[in-house]
Amino acid sequence: AQKVTQAQTEISVVEKEDVTLDCVYETRDTTYYLFWYKQPPSGELVFLIRRNSFDEQNEISGRYSWNFQKSTSSFNFTITASQVVDSAVYFCALSEANWDTDKLIFGTGTRLQVFP
Amino acid sequence: DTAVSQTPKYLVTQMGNDKSIKCEQNLGHDTMYWYKQDSKKFLKIMFSYNNKELIINETVPNRFSPKSPDKAHLNLHINSLELGDSAVYFCASSQALAGGQYNTDTQYFGPGTRLTVL
Repeated sequence: AQKVTQAQTEISVVEKEDVTLDCVYETRDTTYYLFWYKQPPSGELVFLIRRNSFDEQNEISGRYSWNFQKSTSSFNFTITASQVVDSAVYFCALSEANWDTDKLIFGTGTRLQVFP
Repeated sequence: DTAVSQTPKYLVTQMGNDKSIKCEQNLGHDTMYWYKQDSKKFLKIMFSYNNKELIINETVPNRFSPKSPDKAHLNLHINSLELGDSAVYFCASSQALAGGQYNTDTQYFGPGTRLTVL
């Protein structure tokens, strides 16, 4: 069965602190995709990153970085030097590459609050 | 300019009514989806359509009926609304499932429709 666990319900940090959001997934497939989405207070879902199961290279995009480790089934997200604008709910999601189903299985989300 | 749009943004209605939410994407994608986000922020797939054909139906009550007049549109009609239908409904689209390729593409979401049933 597919499952995504985001154990951190809520994290509060002060601006400029680094913060890591954890994501652990379960799947029986060898081919799958992992995603992170951001949901700011305005409510929309903003795509951040997509990773396939064959690419374990870490990725950095500005202040954002992602650590994908198949050995621990984790896909963690780190924000460096956090800013107030980073305050949002962040969702990790899993999708299995099946021809007839392409749904995203979401974690329960981590609410990040960055205080000035 | 908007990639995935939904109307209306807010919908307040009485129990028992029938309502529709419209979704349009101008990304040229083949696949569209409906997701439901409940009051605890949990997101769950409801339906997906590929080129106007139903692909996924996640045990959603029959009161929910998606309709895809063309691949750029996926509307959601809800009959006999219940209190438990109150949620935010998100439409999404992706370029996945083209010709049976095993390549999960990114899903891009609309702004959401907040449905409140009184």
